[in-house]
Amino acid sequence: DIQMTQSPSSLSASVGDRVTITCQATQDIRYHLNWYQQKPGKAPKLLIYDASNLEIGVPSRFSGSGSGTDFTFTISSLQPEDIATYYCQQYDNLPFTFGPGTLVDIK
Amino acid sequence: EVQLVESGGGLVQPGRSLRLSCTTSGFSFGDYTMSWFRQAPGKGLEWVGFIRTKAYDETTKYAASVKGRFTISRHDSKSVAYLQMDSLRTEDTALYYCTRGGLAGRNWGQGTLVTVSS
Repeated sequence: DIQMTQSPSSLSASVGDRVTITCQATQDIRYHLNWYQQKPGKAPKLLIYDASNLEIGVPSRFSGSGSGTDFTFTISSLQPEDIATYYCQQYDNLPFTFGPGTLVDIK
Repeated sequence: EVQLVESGGGLVQPGRSLRLSCTTSGFSFGDYTMSWFRQAPGKGLEWVGFIRTKAYDETTKYAASVKGRFTISRHDSKSVAYLQMDSLRTEDTALYYCTRGGLAGRNWGQGTLVTVSS
């Protein structure tokens, strides 16, 4: 199985800050990566698919990049409503696997 | 508006069975792969499996942790997907979600909680 790692596991930043989360796969997954946001007590929401494509309706402050084994997720200007856990997920190989998540909080 | 509503969760003893339903509306159900995910209390997300469309022979794929015990099916005329869970274990305790799509989980439901305990 492909293992996904994320760093950091948690972060605290100020409103307006640029926030970056990295995700690494144990083997080449090309661009087959999604990013999800999960707010407390809510279902996950797809933000980014195919590593860098913004899902319809998702604010443009969210972005993704990378290919192969190394990926980056960025919030260009952190907003209070962005408090959530963010997960990466690969779909290059079955079983599809998730990273452990990054908890983003407001300082 | 696309909607997915999971139901059928509850408290069940180890070794017993449970069938979850995912009732959908707002899209052409028969045109989409449907997936199931789960999240144990306080833990991360886990892919459970998916079922492809009739055009792809309703092929199913499963995580190793559930293969042979769980079965995903669909009823296109009712726009419902099912997750039949047999031989349940305590480690199957989780919030179960269905989603529209196979490669990316779009349009998640609110989840249904399954607790496996004696």
